[in-house]
Amino acid sequence: DGGITQSPKYLFRKEGQNVTLSCEQNLNHDAMYWYRQDPGQGLRLIYYSQIVNDFQKGDIAEGYSVSREKKESFPLTVTSAQKNPTAFYLCASSMGGPIAASYNEQFFGPGTRLTVL
Amino acid sequence: GDSVTQMEGPVTLSEEAFLTINCTYTATGYPSLFWYVQYPGEGLQLLLKATKADDKGSNKGFEATYRKETTSFHLEKGSVQVSDSAVYFCALSDLDNYGQNFVFGPGTRLSVLP
Repeated sequence: DGGITQSPKYLFRKEGQNVTLSCEQNLNHDAMYWYRQDPGQGLRLIYYSQIVNDFQKGDIAEGYSVSREKKESFPLTVTSAQKNPTAFYLCASSMGGPIAASYNEQFFGPGTRLTVL
Repeated sequence: GDSVTQMEGPVTLSEEAFLTINCTYTATGYPSLFWYVQYPGEGLQLLLKATKADDKGSNKGFEATYRKETTSFHLEKGSVQVSDSAVYFCALSDLDNYGQNFVFGPGTRLSVLP
């Protein structure tokens, strides 16, 4: 089955530690995205990538870092510089690339819930 | 920049009631419009979409019509079920110099009571 996987589903970290959230897709999509969702709130864009080896900051990139070394993978690192990292993190992908069109929808993974202890 | 506005929730309805969730947008280009649904503890799922003016998207009894003249994309369902309880997000997509750009509304929580 094609889709997006995120792991782990639940993640606990101590203050001051960096942690990396995994996102993998087998949809052959060029574009990938990371969002943060706080309880009862909407989505806020952290980083996005339209093609391998390139990525752009979203609205709340401070305290986060990403890499895009492979088309199917877009890991997100939550660094110790992120002051309030406890949240639900969603990864998404869309067709993107040179044939990107506005009608291409985003596909979302199941999310990772990060809790800082 | 582009933006999406949705009616504030939560919306609480009895089973079999009629549902409307209002959504309006502002965009500089000619966007595509989407409704996504999120069940508790899960990611978002595409519910329906429309890509040009007067298009009607529909799925699972939900409908929304792309109204360019009123810049709206209201979600409707004739008879809601308890299983429709979820958060609904209106979204738009357009293209910029870098690629495809998505903008989401704040979400509207729907609770359907038996």
